[in-house]
Formats: sequence, C-alpha cells, structure tokens
Amino acid sequence: RKEVEQDPGPFNVPEGATVAFNCTYSNSASQSFFWYRQDCRKEPKLLMSVYSSGNEDGRFTAQLNRASQYISLLIRDSKLSDSATYLCVVRRDYNQGGKLIFGQGTELSVKP
Amino acid sequence: NAGVTQTPKFRILKIGQSMTLQCTQDMNHNYMYWYRQDPGMGLKLIYYSVGAGITDKGEVPNGYNVSRSTTEDFPLRLELAAPSQTSVYFCASSYSTLEAGNTIYFGEGSWLTVV
Repeated sequence: RKEVEQDPGPFNVPEGATVAFNCTYSNSASQSFFWYRQDCRKEPKLLMSVYSSGNEDGRFTAQLNRASQYISLLIRDSKLSDSATYLCVVRRDYNQGGKLIFGQGTELSVKP
Repeated sequence: NAGVTQTPKFRILKIGQSMTLQCTQDMNHNYMYWYRQDPGMGLKLIYYSVGAGITDKGEVPNGYNVSRSTTEDFPLRLELAAPSQTSVYFCASSYSTLEAGNTIYFGEGSWLTVV
C-alpha cells in the first residue's frame, strides 16, 4: 500500500463546477499536510497547507481528518486556469526525517 | 530571487554514461531533496540531506549518489546511466523546523533521457 494515495483521475469538469479531491495517508506519525499544484512540465508549487480545523483560501477549501487519516481539497466555481495536477503531500514527523511524501496526483481538466 | 537552481534543464545520455545534476539554493535552507517523477506518477524521493555533511537514502536511491559539502549545494550523480533512469528530476529545499515554516521550494526540473 502506498503511503499517500489519491483519487485516480483525470477529472473532467465544466467551468463553474465544484470538484473534490480525496487523499488518504497510512503513516499515523505524519505531521504536516499540503496540497501542491503542478502544471504540465513544471515544478510543483504549494497551493495550500492543510490544518486540522480546516482552512479556506478563496475558492479552495482543505480539510484534514487525523482520525481517519484523510485529506480533501474542494474547488468551487472552477476556472479554466485550475486545470492542473493536484498533489497531496504529507510530511513525516521530524523524528522520521521530516520527509515529504507525495501522492501520485489527480489531474483536473476544466472545460469551457 | 534565485531560490532553487538546477542544471542542466535537458540532457540526453547514452547507456553507461555518467553525469551530475547540479542543485544550489540561496535561502540558507538546511534540508535539501532530490525527487524523480515518472510520467503520470507522483514524486519519489531519491536522496535527501538535513544539513551539510549529512545525506540519507530516500525511496529510490539505487543508481544514484549525492554529496552535501556546503549548505547551498546538493549535486546528484548518476554513475552508470540506465534507461530506467529516464525521468524528470526535481531538486528542492526547505527549512528544517516547523517553526521556520514548512514550504518546500522546488527547482524547475531537469529532463533526463537515457538511450
């Protein structure tokens, strides 16, 4: 079993749709959680950190459930520019090296 | 604002050749990483370093070597290139403590093809 697993894609949605991505992680010692965005042939870039209380940044909402070891990302009113691959990322406890573990990514394609 | 700089951006290697991917960061980050990304896959950790003089294996270290003689530089060496090493390689760096922030900064990637 992979340490970080995401919904298999791709997700093809029309502009304005709401789309949700799910992610589970297996290492209970994981300490920090993130969503990264990766455009085609580009490096990943931080979209947002994920906090236990849930957090929102404009049209993006991230949720964390430590008990279920589950992370989600909700995108409301999707735009063409949201088309990208979204990577769920977990950072291990610093006692385990503080390494970042990446999910395989979920591709989103927003169509006009 | 250089951030993380990696070179070369593109390279074609013949089987059995060796090469070094260079990575340097100017943010005084303790942690540095090398990842590879195969098509349609997430990033897999090759090696990482928590500070100058210290390196550790990641998930997929076979066929690679690293060194960390300075805080700024973290080169990745391929000794005997194999077709399985055809991939995109990303160098990254971050602070070492939660208090200092969790953001990881990536270089722009190096596209390597072994033929």
